[in-house]
Amino acid sequence: AQSVSQHNHHVILSEAASLELGCNYSYGGTVNLFWYVQYPGQHLQLLLKYFSGDPLVKGIKGFEAEFIKSKFSFNLRKPSVQWSDTAEYFCAVNAWGYQKVTFGTGTKLQVIP
Amino acid sequence: NAGVTQTPKFQVLKTGQSMTLQCAQDMNHEYMSWYRQDPGMGLRLIHYSVGAGITDQGEVPNGYNVSRSTTEDFPLRLLSAAPSQTSVYFCASSPRTSGAYEQYFGPGTRLTVT
Repeated sequence: AQSVSQHNHHVILSEAASLELGCNYSYGGTVNLFWYVQYPGQHLQLLLKYFSGDPLVKGIKGFEAEFIKSKFSFNLRKPSVQWSDTAEYFCAVNAWGYQKVTFGTGTKLQVIP
Repeated sequence: NAGVTQTPKFQVLKTGQSMTLQCAQDMNHEYMSWYRQDPGMGLRLIHYSVGAGITDQGEVPNGYNVSRSTTEDFPLRLLSAAPSQTSVYFCASSPRTSGAYEQYFGPGTRLTVT
């Protein structure tokens, strides 16, 4: 069965700092990977996705993520965070041929002005 | 397009009561799902459906029923509410692009069971 781990539960950064949020999944076959963001009081929105091809994917609002198959990782990065990036970030995995999507426990990011 | 809509936004139930959380989408998506979100536990899949008339269980299906009579609607029924079902419930739909389930989420229903 597929599973996903997010090791950082709560991250606090100052504006302009760089961000990297970890995501590791466990599944031996082909996977689709996602990062979702939930701004305070709002519903989840897709930030970026990896289906196949270039392992470096770019999403909205300057976010990017790199799929490293050998490490079973899909870490989220942003070179310079803004106060408006304060939100909870969820990594998710969907194995090919498997109809379920599994989410991580989420990372709360707090950006201090 | 309204996207994914959920009603009600808030609900308070007493233990033992039943209710239905409504979910509808106007994007003609085949795949729909229900999740519950609890602090520190992320989103956990309750039930999902790959098309009208087809439903299946997720990680935490106990105490919940679903049906999918149309492509648009996917209601979630709580049979006999328990305090452990206090949570925020999200419905999502997906067009299943390239065999992957990129999901669009509704605004959520915050349920409190006393």
